[in-house]
Amino acid sequence: DAEITQSPRHKITETGRQVTLACHQTWNHNNMFWYRQDLGHGLRLIHYSYGVHDTNKGEVSDGYSVSRSNTEDLPLTLESAASSQTSVYFCASSRLTDTQYFGPGTRLTVL
Amino acid sequence: GQQLNQSPQSMFIQEGEDVSMNCTSSSIFNTWLWYKQDPGEGPVLLIALYKAGELTSNGRLTAQFGITRKDSFLNISASIPSDVGIYFCAGQRGSQGNLIFGKGTKLSVKP
Repeated sequence: DAEITQSPRHKITETGRQVTLACHQTWNHNNMFWYRQDLGHGLRLIHYSYGVHDTNKGEVSDGYSVSRSNTEDLPLTLESAASSQTSVYFCASSRLTDTQYFGPGTRLTVL
Repeated sequence: GQQLNQSPQSMFIQEGEDVSMNCTSSSIFNTWLWYKQDPGEGPVLLIALYKAGELTSNGRLTAQFGITRKDSFLNISASIPSDVGIYFCAGQRGSQGNLIFGKGTKLSVKP
């Protein structure tokens, strides 16, 4: 069955380190999205991509970057991790821009 | 930025009771979606609505696209313990806009 996976599921890192979170989907969806989820804020869009080599900033993109070199993957990089980036991160993909399908999430703790 | 007001924030009900929650906006949306998130998992799509006035069911769940296009409603009939979780609404403006999420309604069911 087609699916969307994220790795790692849990990550602890230190302030200032570079961290990359992986997202892989096998639906062949053109659209991929990264969100962070924090108490009191719901889901907030970090970056998104509508196809290979396309990337766009979302609502809370500062301190994050993405690159899209193929259809299946959209890794999220924290250039220099900060404690404010402690959160749960969700990747999603969609064929159209509305019905997005979410991965299981990565819980990131920055100490 | 654009916000969706989702209410109530939390509900604690008895098994067998019906549940109603809603999502409102000051702006018009062309698409409304309802997701459910179980603890430690990513949101799962429940129902998608594309037309004002549309009423769509998925088992015991029924969702409606408000006539004004500024709101949507989700009803759960005869709740059971596995209905526990956080329910999110999401709206899309236009055909290419990104999803905007409500902050969620946390549902607890007492056996």
